[in-house]
Amino acid sequence: EIVLTQSPATLSLSPGERATLSCRASQSVSSDLAWYQQKPGQAPRLLIYEASIRATGIPARFSGSGYGTDFTLTISSLEPEDFALYYCQQRSNWPPALTFGGGTKVEI
Amino acid sequence: EVQLVESGGGLVQPGRSLRLSCAASGINFEDYAMHWVRQVPGKGLEWVSGISWNSGTTGYADSVKGRFTISRDNAKNSLYLQMNSLRAEDTALYYCTKDTRTKYYGSGRYFYFMDVWGKGTTVTVSS
Repeated sequence: EIVLTQSPATLSLSPGERATLSCRASQSVSSDLAWYQQKPGQAPRLLIYEASIRATGIPARFSGSGYGTDFTLTISSLEPEDFALYYCQQRSNWPPALTFGGGTKVEI
Repeated sequence: EVQLVESGGGLVQPGRSLRLSCAASGINFEDYAMHWVRQVPGKGLEWVSGISWNSGTTGYADSVKGRFTISRDNAKNSLYLQMNSLRAEDTALYYCTKDTRTKYYGSGRYFYFMDVWGKGTTVTVSS
C-alpha cells in the first residue's frame, strides 16, 4: 500500500506570500497525483490532477509539480480565500484504490 | 448544474446496517466511475470505495472490506453504499464523488481523481 506523507502539517503565512506544500509517496506513483483544497464546512475541491494539470476554474496562482515520489503544490501569492486545508491523493490500478495524504493546513 | 446529493445517513447502533444513496444530476452518470469518501470531523479524508461505470470494477479501503458494498443503478443515476456490521470508527461524514475520467479513457476499468463532490451525509454509529 502506498502511503502519502504531507509536510508541513501547518504552514503559517501572510497574504501575498508564496506557499509551498509537499507530498511524498512511499513508492513511485508516476504522475498519478492530485491536490484538493478544503475550507471549513465545505466539501473538498479538486485543484490539480496528474501532478500538474489545473482543474477547471482553478486560478493560475495554483501550480503543481513533481513525478515519482516527490510532489509540490505551489500557491504563488496567497489570497485570503486560500487559507484552508490541502490534501494530496494518489491512485493505483491494482488493487483499484485511491489514497489521501494527511493534509497541510495553510493558516494566516 | 452538476449535482450529487447524498442521503441515508443517521444514527445506528454498532453491528447494525445502513444504506447510503447518492442521486446525480447534470452529468451523464453512466459515463463515470463513482466513489465514496468519508471524513471524521476534524480529521482527514479517507477513500472508502469506488465503482467503475459499468460496475465491472469495484474497490474498497481495507478498513471496510468485507463489510461495505458499493453499487450503482445507471438507469436511476444513483450510487449506493451498503454498510453492514457498523463500528464506532465508521462514524463520519460520507461524501459521494464523481471520477474525472469517462469510460472512454484507457480501459474504462480504473479510478483516477474526483472532480465533483456532494455535500455529504453524516453517519453516527453509537449505542
